[in-house]
Amino acid sequence: KQEVTQIPAALSVPEGENLVLNCSFTDSAIYNLQWFRQDPGKGLTSLLLIQSSQREQTSGRLNASLDKSSGRSTLYIAASQPGDSATYLCAVGLYSGAGSYQLTFGKGTKLSVIP
Amino acid sequence: SQTIHQWPATLVQPVGSPLSLECTVEGTSNPNLYWYRQAAGRGLQLLFYSVGIGQISSEVPQNLSASRPQDRQFILSSKKLLLSDSGFYLCAWSRGQGTSAARGYTFGSGTRLTVV
Repeated sequence: KQEVTQIPAALSVPEGENLVLNCSFTDSAIYNLQWFRQDPGKGLTSLLLIQSSQREQTSGRLNASLDKSSGRSTLYIAASQPGDSATYLCAVGLYSGAGSYQLTFGKGTKLSVIP
Repeated sequence: SQTIHQWPATLVQPVGSPLSLECTVEGTSNPNLYWYRQAAGRGLQLLFYSVGIGQISSEVPQNLSASRPQDRQFILSSKKLLLSDSGFYLCAWSRGQGTSAARGYTFGSGTRLTVV
């Protein structure tokens, strides 16, 4: 059974710092990996999607990398801002035994950027 | 473009009452649809998924059920709510199997359910 772990569970940094969020998964036979952001009481907003054949994806100040063989992904946030404060969730996509595509989620990293 | 709608946004229901949460997707056909629950302090738990009309798979035995009466409509129901059903319920869609488009989920805005 696929398990997804995110470290750290919480992180507090001063504004302007670069930071890295970590995600690891136990089964490397994934289809893709998706990073989400969740603001308190809100739904999930997709940030980046990396297919299993890709090594990284970039969007603005965000860069996500994927090392499928070692079961790891990182989300790099450059020049952090208070507006980046949220919970960041990592999810790996794979096909179930029934042939449907499903995401398995980590529990998230709660990020606080201090002005 | 594709959009996903989920309602209501918040709901307070007494124990033993019925439940119906609705999710609809626009701008795509034959999507895969999913219901997740996010309980306080816990991760996202997949409850149900559907690959087509009338096709429902349950991931966790529980007090809830799901139905897909139309291609882009997904309903989460309960006949009698329990206190433990409280949580944040999220609907999501992904492209159906066989498409060449990049996959991934798009989530609705969620329903905060409090059972009292």
